[in-house]
Amino acid sequence: QKEVEQNSGPLSVPEGAIASLNCTYSDRGSQSFFWYRQYSGKSPELIMSIYSNGDKEDGRFTAQLNKASQYVSLLIRDSQPSDSATYLCAVLSMNSGYSTLTFGKGTMLLVSP
Amino acid sequence: NAGVTQTPKFQVLKTGQSMTLQCAQDMNHNSMYWYRQDPGMGLRLIYYSASEGTTDKGEVPNGYNVSRLNKREFSLRLESAAPSQTSVYFCASSSWTGNNEQFFGPGTRLTVL
Repeated sequence: QKEVEQNSGPLSVPEGAIASLNCTYSDRGSQSFFWYRQYSGKSPELIMSIYSNGDKEDGRFTAQLNKASQYVSLLIRDSQPSDSATYLCAVLSMNSGYSTLTFGKGTMLLVSP
Repeated sequence: NAGVTQTPKFQVLKTGQSMTLQCAQDMNHNSMYWYRQDPGMGLRLIYYSASEGTTDKGEVPNGYNVSRLNKREFSLRLESAAPSQTSVYFCASSSWTGNNEQFFGPGTRLTVL
């Protein structure tokens, strides 16, 4: 059973701070990793993808990948109240020749003004 | 482009009734997916279709059937609804080219009484 683990939170940070969200995964053969943001009552929205070890930056978001430690993280700089949402980590795995995503249960982020 | 669309948005069924959830995408994606999302359980894959004409079971297929009608449309059918199928259902699609990023529809909130 392929597993993706996230702290459920809530993670509370003040406006302007850095929010750090973490994820570990069990499938050592996984090659692709994604972060989705989900507002309450809405569908998941893809915000970052990462495929190589190291950091990938996109605006205020930075994804970090360490395949040796089977660890993925998402940093949100200058956090805003509008960043308050649940963040889902997803890992791509091969299954009978096709690829499917396994999702973590998500970390709720609360950014206070 | 509308992206991924789902109908209906909300549905209430009585135990034993049947219904079909519809999903369509206009992004020319090859692969389509059905997930359910329950509190504390995260997103779980019900069925997926890697390409037109193929379907495969995901993590929680019992009680469901699917049809990949054409490249655009992928439907999910509940033949005899049970209260345990009360959930939010999301359809997603992805392309073989690129990086297997999945894009989600707005969801269907289903209640089975």
